[in-house]
Amino acid sequence: DAMVIQNPRYQVTQFGKPVTLSCSQTLNHNVMYWYQQKSSQAPKLLFHYYDKDFNNEADTPDNFQSRRPNTSFCFLDIRSPGLGDAAMYLCATSRDTGGINGYTFGSGTRLTVV
Amino acid sequence: TQLLEQSPQFLSIQEGENLTVYCNSSSVFSSLQWYRQEPGEGPVLLVTVVTGGEVKKLKRLTFQFGDARKDSSLHITAAQPGDTGLYLCAGARAGTALIFGKGTTLSVSS
Repeated sequence: DAMVIQNPRYQVTQFGKPVTLSCSQTLNHNVMYWYQQKSSQAPKLLFHYYDKDFNNEADTPDNFQSRRPNTSFCFLDIRSPGLGDAAMYLCATSRDTGGINGYTFGSGTRLTVV
Repeated sequence: TQLLEQSPQFLSIQEGENLTVYCNSSSVFSSLQWYRQEPGEGPVLLVTVVTGGEVKKLKRLTFQFGDARKDSSLHITAAQPGDTGLYLCAGARAGTALIFGKGTTLSVSS
Protein backbone atom coordinates (compact mmCIF):
# COMPACT_ATOMS: atom_id res chain seq x y z
CA ASP A 1 0.00 0.00 0.00
CA ALA A 2 1.16 3.50 -0.81
CA MET A 3 1.91 5.31 2.39
CA VAL A 4 3.78 7.88 4.44
CA ILE A 5 6.29 6.45 6.90
CA GLN A 6 7.89 8.35 9.74
CA ASN A 7 10.91 7.23 11.70
CA PRO A 8 11.40 6.86 14.52
CA ARG A 9 7.95 6.63 16.17
CA TYR A 10 9.45 7.82 19.45
CA GLN A 11 12.56 9.94 19.90
CA VAL A 12 14.13 11.06 23.14
CA THR A 13 16.79 13.74 22.88
CA GLN A 14 18.76 15.85 25.31
CA PHE A 15 18.18 19.55 25.69
CA GLY A 16 20.28 21.31 23.06
CA LYS A 17 21.33 18.13 21.22
CA PRO A 18 20.53 18.22 17.47
CA VAL A 19 17.97 15.70 16.31
CA THR A 20 16.68 14.64 12.89
CA LEU A 21 13.29 13.16 12.13
CA SER A 22 12.65 11.44 8.83
CA CYS A 23 9.69 10.95 6.54
CA SER A 24 9.36 8.88 3.38
CA GLN A 25 6.47 8.45 0.96
CA THR A 26 5.58 5.99 -1.76
CA LEU A 27 2.70 8.08 -3.14
CA ASN A 28 4.88 10.13 -5.48
CA HIS A 29 3.16 13.27 -4.21
CA ASN A 30 4.63 16.64 -5.08
CA VAL A 31 4.15 18.26 -1.71
CA MET A 32 5.51 17.24 1.68
CA TYR A 33 4.65 19.02 4.93
CA TRP A 34 5.93 19.08 8.46
CA TYR A 35 3.51 19.84 11.29
CA GLN A 36 4.05 20.22 15.01
CA GLN A 37 1.21 19.08 17.24
CA LYS A 38 1.00 19.57 20.97
CA SER A 39 -1.39 17.72 23.20
CA SER A 40 -4.93 17.59 21.74
CA GLN A 41 -4.34 20.67 19.63
CA ALA A 42 -4.59 21.18 15.90
CA PRO A 43 -1.45 20.49 13.88
CA LYS A 44 0.65 23.62 13.32
CA LEU A 45 2.33 23.90 9.94
CA LEU A 46 6.09 24.46 10.16
CA PHE A 47 7.00 24.37 6.47
CA HIS A 48 6.38 22.50 3.26
CA TYR A 49 8.10 21.58 0.02
CA TYR A 50 6.50 21.71 -3.37
CA ASP A 51 8.95 19.48 -5.19
CA LYS A 52 12.27 21.21 -4.34
CA ASP A 53 10.67 24.57 -3.61
CA PHE A 54 10.84 25.24 0.15
CA ASN A 55 8.10 27.28 1.86
CA ASN A 56 8.66 28.35 5.45
CA GLU A 57 5.85 29.59 7.69
CA ALA A 58 6.55 33.08 9.04
CA ASP A 59 6.37 32.01 12.69
CA THR A 60 8.50 28.87 12.42
CA PRO A 61 11.57 29.31 14.64
CA ASP A 62 15.01 29.26 12.99
CA ASN A 63 15.78 26.28 15.21
CA PHE A 64 13.73 24.17 12.78
CA GLN A 65 15.17 23.30 9.40
CA SER A 66 14.18 20.89 6.67
CA ARG A 67 15.73 19.03 3.77
CA ARG A 68 14.18 17.21 0.86
CA PRO A 69 16.94 15.39 -1.02
CA ASN A 70 14.53 13.66 -3.42
CA THR A 71 10.81 13.19 -4.07
CA SER A 72 10.47 10.36 -1.57
CA PHE A 73 12.25 11.69 1.50
CA CYS A 74 11.97 14.73 3.72
CA PHE A 75 13.80 15.46 6.97
CA LEU A 76 13.10 17.74 9.91
CA ASP A 77 16.20 18.96 11.75
CA ILE A 78 15.91 20.59 15.16
CA ARG A 79 19.24 22.25 15.77
CA SER A 80 19.00 22.87 19.51
CA PRO A 81 15.87 21.30 20.98
CA GLY A 82 14.33 23.06 23.94
CA LEU A 83 11.79 21.69 26.40
CA GLY A 84 9.09 23.58 24.51
CA ASP A 85 9.83 21.58 21.38
CA ALA A 86 8.53 18.37 22.90
CA ALA A 87 5.58 17.44 20.71
CA MET A 88 4.26 15.08 18.08
CA TYR A 89 5.77 15.85 14.68
CA LEU A 90 3.64 14.89 11.72
CA CYS A 91 4.68 14.53 8.12
CA ALA A 92 2.01 14.77 5.43
CA THR A 93 1.89 14.65 1.65
CA SER A 94 -0.48 15.83 -1.03
CA ARG A 95 -0.58 15.87 -4.80
CA ASP A 96 -0.82 19.66 -4.90
CA THR A 97 -0.50 22.49 -2.39
CA GLY A 98 -4.24 23.16 -2.22
CA GLY A 99 -4.72 19.61 -0.98
CA ILE A 100 -8.19 19.46 -2.45
CA ASN A 101 -8.02 15.67 -2.41
CA GLY A 102 -6.78 15.58 1.14
CA TYR A 103 -3.50 15.03 2.87
CA THR A 104 -1.99 11.68 3.77
CA PHE A 105 -0.34 11.78 7.17
CA GLY A 106 2.30 9.56 8.66
CA SER A 107 1.85 8.10 12.13
CA GLY A 108 4.05 10.81 13.61
CA THR A 109 7.18 10.97 15.73
CA ARG A 110 6.70 11.70 19.42
CA LEU A 111 9.66 13.83 20.52
CA THR A 112 10.64 14.02 24.17
CA VAL A 113 13.31 16.49 25.31
CA VAL A 114 15.07 15.72 28.59
CA THR B 1 -6.77 35.00 13.75
CA GLN B 2 -8.26 31.52 13.62
CA LEU B 3 -9.77 31.14 10.16
CA LEU B 4 -11.65 27.96 11.03
CA GLU B 5 -13.57 27.80 14.30
CA GLN B 6 -14.57 24.38 15.56
CA SER B 7 -17.10 23.75 18.27
CA PRO B 8 -17.40 22.29 20.74
CA GLN B 9 -13.77 21.90 21.71
CA PHE B 10 -14.49 18.94 24.01
CA LEU B 11 -17.40 16.52 24.04
CA SER B 12 -17.95 13.64 26.41
CA ILE B 13 -21.00 11.46 25.79
CA GLN B 14 -22.45 8.03 26.46
CA GLU B 15 -22.58 5.26 23.90
CA GLY B 16 -25.70 5.51 21.76
CA GLU B 17 -26.05 9.29 21.91
CA ASN B 18 -26.02 11.53 18.85
CA LEU B 19 -23.73 14.51 18.42
CA THR B 20 -22.87 17.29 15.98
CA VAL B 21 -19.56 19.07 15.54
CA TYR B 22 -19.40 22.41 13.76
CA CYS B 23 -16.73 24.05 11.68
CA ASN B 24 -17.28 27.71 10.79
CA SER B 25 -15.40 30.35 8.86
CA SER B 26 -15.92 33.73 7.26
CA SER B 27 -13.80 32.56 4.32
CA VAL B 28 -14.83 30.53 1.30
CA PHE B 29 -13.01 27.25 0.71
CA SER B 30 -12.72 25.13 -2.41
CA SER B 31 -13.25 22.08 -0.24
CA LEU B 32 -13.68 21.17 3.41
CA GLN B 33 -12.14 18.05 4.84
CA TRP B 34 -12.70 16.11 8.04
CA TYR B 35 -10.01 14.05 9.70
CA ARG B 36 -10.06 11.78 12.74
CA GLN B 37 -6.97 11.32 14.83
CA GLU B 38 -6.58 8.60 17.42
CA PRO B 39 -4.09 9.00 20.29
CA GLY B 40 -0.52 8.49 19.17
CA GLU B 41 -1.40 8.36 15.46
CA GLY B 42 -1.57 10.78 12.55
CA PRO B 43 -4.87 12.22 11.31
CA VAL B 44 -6.77 10.08 8.83
CA LEU B 45 -8.95 11.64 6.17
CA LEU B 46 -12.63 10.77 6.61
CA VAL B 47 -14.26 12.79 3.86
CA THR B 48 -13.88 15.72 1.49
CA VAL B 49 -16.88 17.90 0.59
CA VAL B 50 -16.55 20.11 -2.44
CA THR B 51 -19.94 21.42 -3.56
CA GLY B 52 -21.97 23.93 -1.56
CA GLY B 53 -24.87 22.13 0.15
CA GLU B 54 -23.26 18.73 -0.37
CA VAL B 55 -24.08 15.95 2.09
CA LYS B 56 -21.96 12.83 2.40
CA LYS B 57 -22.57 9.82 4.58
CA LEU B 58 -20.00 7.40 5.92
CA LYS B 59 -21.87 4.71 7.90
CA ARG B 60 -23.10 6.56 11.04
CA LEU B 61 -21.29 9.80 10.13
CA THR B 62 -23.00 12.51 8.08
CA PHE B 63 -21.02 15.44 6.72
CA GLN B 64 -22.53 18.60 5.30
CA PHE B 65 -20.94 21.52 3.47
CA GLY B 66 -22.67 24.86 3.82
CA ASP B 67 -24.33 26.41 0.77
CA ALA B 68 -21.80 29.25 0.74
CA ARG B 69 -18.85 26.84 1.24
CA LYS B 70 -17.80 28.59 4.45
CA ASP B 71 -18.88 26.05 7.04
CA SER B 72 -19.43 22.37 7.62
CA SER B 73 -20.89 20.01 10.16
CA LEU B 74 -20.24 16.44 11.20
CA HIS B 75 -23.11 14.50 12.74
CA ILE B 76 -22.57 11.12 14.40
CA THR B 77 -25.57 8.92 15.05
CA ALA B 78 -25.52 6.41 17.92
CA ALA B 79 -21.93 7.09 18.92
CA GLN B 80 -19.73 4.17 19.88
CA PRO B 81 -16.52 4.01 21.96
CA GLY B 82 -14.61 3.43 18.72
CA ASP B 83 -15.60 6.94 17.61
CA THR B 84 -13.41 8.41 20.35
CA GLY B 85 -10.70 10.69 18.99
CA LEU B 86 -9.78 14.18 17.85
CA TYR B 87 -11.88 15.40 14.93
CA LEU B 88 -10.26 18.05 12.78
CA CYS B 89 -11.82 20.06 10.02
CA ALA B 90 -9.58 21.58 7.38
CA GLY B 91 -10.26 24.08 4.64
CA ALA B 92 -8.57 23.91 1.25
CA ARG B 93 -7.83 26.84 -1.03
CA ALA B 94 -5.79 26.70 -4.23
CA GLY B 95 -2.11 27.46 -3.75
CA THR B 96 -2.10 27.41 0.05
CA ALA B 97 -1.63 24.67 2.60
CA LEU B 98 -4.71 23.30 4.35
CA ILE B 99 -6.03 25.43 7.18
CA PHE B 100 -6.92 23.33 10.21
CA GLY B 101 -9.41 24.09 12.91
CA LYS B 102 -8.40 23.54 16.55
CA GLY B 103 -10.22 20.24 16.68
CA THR B 104 -12.95 18.60 18.75
CA THR B 105 -11.90 15.98 21.26
CA LEU B 106 -14.66 13.38 21.47
CA SER B 107 -14.88 10.82 24.23
CA VAL B 108 -17.55 8.13 24.05
CA SER B 109 -17.94 5.94 27.09
CA SER B 110 -19.78 2.62 27.28
